[in-house]
Amino acid sequence: NAGVTQTPKFQVLKTGQSMTLQCAQDMNHNSMYWYRQDPGMGLRLIYYSASEGTTDKGEVPNGYNVSRLNKREFSLRLESAAPSQTSVYFCASSEAWSGETQYFGPGTRLLVL
Amino acid sequence: GENVEQHPSTLSVQEGDSAVIKCTYSDSASNYFPWYKQELGKRPQLIIDIRSNVGEKKDQRIAVTLNKTAKHFSLHITETQPEDSAVYFCAASIGNTGKLIFGQGTTLQVKP
Repeated sequence: NAGVTQTPKFQVLKTGQSMTLQCAQDMNHNSMYWYRQDPGMGLRLIYYSASEGTTDKGEVPNGYNVSRLNKREFSLRLESAAPSQTSVYFCASSEAWSGETQYFGPGTRLLVL
Repeated sequence: GENVEQHPSTLSVQEGDSAVIKCTYSDSASNYFPWYKQELGKRPQLIIDIRSNVGEKKDQRIAVTLNKTAKHFSLHITETQPEDSAVYFCAASIGNTGKLIFGQGTTLQVKP
């Protein structure tokens, strides 16, 4: 039981390049989330998927898109990376949508030059 | 928009002392309040949570209290140990949803 996994662990991009961050969970959770973590700002919700087949914007969605590929997988895409998107990205999942523990993946450290 | 304020930003205590971290939230409909611990370079991990129908919850050396009227909640760690050194984040749900607003974090240092 691996929990929540993310790939890649680290990535360097040039401004304007695109990439997709992958996330998968093997806990049969219904809800999945993408956060970014910047120094001194805690974690901020980018997008979420309350259940398979649905996605919605969080606190800071600009410049990102998501896909809930199936119940296990939830990907985050940067279409045209900007230096302001340099951050650590965490995927999380929870069994249900409301009031449930969110389990985090190990994170992806992204540097945009 | 919804907001969670966390204080202090840094906290240094001697081993064996208690540590208290406080958070205030703005959404009166928030009903779920988790606390996460994050060690350097690692993922956040839940250490305790509380729901709005409960005023206090305890798990060994860790306790959380919630005051819904004042819209604040606190984390209490007793008999601190060096392995408690980490960054701690509070969070509050937006209403009755899975969306969480996180505080800015508290760096706790426990000196041996």
